[in-house]
Amino acid sequence: AQKITQTQPGMFVQEKEAVTLDCTYDTSDPSYGLFWYKQPSSGEMIFLIYQGSYDQQNATEGRYSLNFQKARKSANLVISASQLGDSAMYFCAMREGSYAGGTSYGKLTFGQGTILTVHP
Amino acid sequence: AAGVIQSPRHLIKEKRETATLKCYPIPRHDTVYWYQQGPGQDPQFLISFYEKMQSDKGSIPDRFSAQQFSDYHSELNMSSLELGDSALYFCASSLGGASGGNEQFFGPGTRLTVL
Repeated sequence: AQKITQTQPGMFVQEKEAVTLDCTYDTSDPSYGLFWYKQPSSGEMIFLIYQGSYDQQNATEGRYSLNFQKARKSANLVISASQLGDSAMYFCAMREGSYAGGTSYGKLTFGQGTILTVHP
Repeated sequence: AAGVIQSPRHLIKEKRETATLKCYPIPRHDTVYWYQQGPGQDPQFLISFYEKMQSDKGSIPDRFSAQQFSDYHSELNMSSLELGDSALYFCASSLGGASGGNEQFFGPGTRLTVL
């Protein structure tokens, strides 16, 4: 079964509007982290925002916020006031487990990605 | 701020050749991860190191090996290259252990093309 599911292969949004990119996850681990990355056409992977499973508040970073609904296992990314430069591929990723007995488990499992296109 | 450095940025090899990719993590980061991203695919975890010891292993072919050195830089060695190894290879680093690990920063990637 997919651990991270992004059901929107592509999304379109008008400049200055808000957009929500969906992400659902599947884990039985009580300790996990959820990440969003942006990958422009140039290929680099840019870290956007992080939400820990025990965090009570939704994470926010500038125009990015994460709508974390733990019971529904969803971690949607909300981009407010979209800009042309936001056009890119967006990946949701999960890290399961944590530091344990001298070993750091931190590998990320990625979703399939959503291509966001911002129209002027 | 210093970021993750990867070299080379682009690499072209023939089938059956070998390749070595290098990764220099963010200063004071002790954990390094390697990912492979095929064309149109999401990144797939290959292997990770924490404090110079292998900490986890993913879908890394036996033809590949990696290590982390005393200065925390890491190298991914790839032998008997196949056409299917053509991909973008990312290195990421984080501060592992009990004190951190909430952020994982990626390098710019090495684009490997096997002809």
